[in-house]
Amino acid sequence: DAGVIQSPRHEVTEMGQEVTLRCKPISGHNSLFWYRQTMMRGLELLIYFNNNVPIDDSGMPEDRFSAKMPNASFSTLKIQPSEPRDSAVYFCASRRAGSSYNEQFFGPGTRLTVL
Amino acid sequence: QQQVKQSPQSLIVQKGGISIINCAYENTAFDYFPWYQQFPGKGPALLIAIRPDVSEKKEGRFTISFNKSAKQFSLHIMDSQPGDSATYFCAASLYGGSQGNLIFGKGTKLSVKP
Repeated sequence: DAGVIQSPRHEVTEMGQEVTLRCKPISGHNSLFWYRQTMMRGLELLIYFNNNVPIDDSGMPEDRFSAKMPNASFSTLKIQPSEPRDSAVYFCASRRAGSSYNEQFFGPGTRLTVL
Repeated sequence: QQQVKQSPQSLIVQKGGISIINCAYENTAFDYFPWYQQFPGKGPALLIAIRPDVSEKKEGRFTISFNKSAKQFSLHIMDSQPGDSATYFCAASLYGGSQGNLIFGKGTKLSVKP
């Protein structure tokens, strides 16, 4: 099992540019979560999907952030335009359908730096 | 009511000592309490979890103690090792894979000195 795959692993961009983060969940998992991690705020849930449908996007900071899940094996998180305060590590996690335990499997993260 | 409060923010322990991290929650509907471990440069990974029908769960050197009346739970790491140095997150949720998301504490950075 390859685990959750995220790309890119590192992204450096300039303020105002569009940034797209990508995630491939574990095969057979039907829930997908996007988190942001910073020293100040810890691990924050941005949005999560069940069966490709967004369930809770209350953690999305503002309209500059958008997330899509066009199919069960792919999701994107887009920031447009990016700002320096968006600098963080972004994690994607997935969860197995019908899991008896609410165990989420995290990817390795994307470290985003906005200059 | 959705918060999980975690303390301390950081912890330094000598090798062989006991590490203790505490968490408190408010929502009495929560009935699943996992701990996640995160090493530098990696994503968090499930370490151990407990449901409130038991007061303690032990897996190797790691033990969760749960106090339902106080709405508190804690992670104890016995015989702490330098390899345990990581950030630990407590979390809470409703039991079951379809019951929404985990609410995470802000994390505790543990350093175990040799």
